[in-house]
Amino acid sequence: QVQLVQSGAEVKKPGASVKVSCKASGYTFTSYDINWVRQATGQGLEWMGWMNPNSGNTGYAQKFQGRVTMTRNTSISTAYMELSSLRSEDTAVYYCARGTVDYYDSSGYYLDYWGQGTLVTVSS
Amino acid sequence: QSVLTQPPSASGTPGQRVTISCSGSSSNIGSNYVYWYQQLPGTAPKLLIYRNNQRPSGVPDRFSGSKSGTSASLAISGLRSEDEADYYCAAWDDSVVFGGGTKLTVL
Repeated sequence: QVQLVQSGAEVKKPGASVKVSCKASGYTFTSYDINWVRQATGQGLEWMGWMNPNSGNTGYAQKFQGRVTMTRNTSISTAYMELSSLRSEDTAVYYCARGTVDYYDSSGYYLDYWGQGTLVTVSS
Repeated sequence: QSVLTQPPSASGTPGQRVTISCSGSSSNIGSNYVYWYQQLPGTAPKLLIYRNNQRPSGVPDRFSGSKSGTSASLAISGLRSEDEADYYCAAWDDSVVFGGGTKLTVL
């Protein structure tokens, strides 16, 4: 079965960086995008960007451009999301999710499997 | 401010039918599929509806989706206590865009 298993909780100081991992299993890692979505406590879902594990190509939400980097290691089927220059507003649960392009009589893109989430706390 | 607009809350009693709306624009819902995600308390979101009205394997047929123009809705019939969760609509708009989420309470 498809599984995405994320690394454990992190506590960081303002200005530092955090790198969260997402290990995929149960499918061919290079056949589907990996997306990152975050959720602050009591808030909604916020999409951060996507990465194609086959090519390494990425696309980031404008809000995170210049601060986020998404990479992968295909030999261990693992994706990474690094966020730099952390501030208190970055405190949130970060999820990785598998992305699928959807074409039939229209088009779309959906996230069909999600990791368990990684809590990142930014505090001095 | 979310790109897609949902009511912040909805409620119903067991057995009732409830609907959750999602409003967007021509660049997202108006030209692409709508997706719905269910997030049970303390868990990761789960894909509930894809391609406007399709259910992934394992999702009960009590859940249904529809789309008209730049709006979409999720209907839950035969409401059960375990349906109490946050529900998010989503679509593609040069990026993934979400609604702000609707907290469904089963009274």
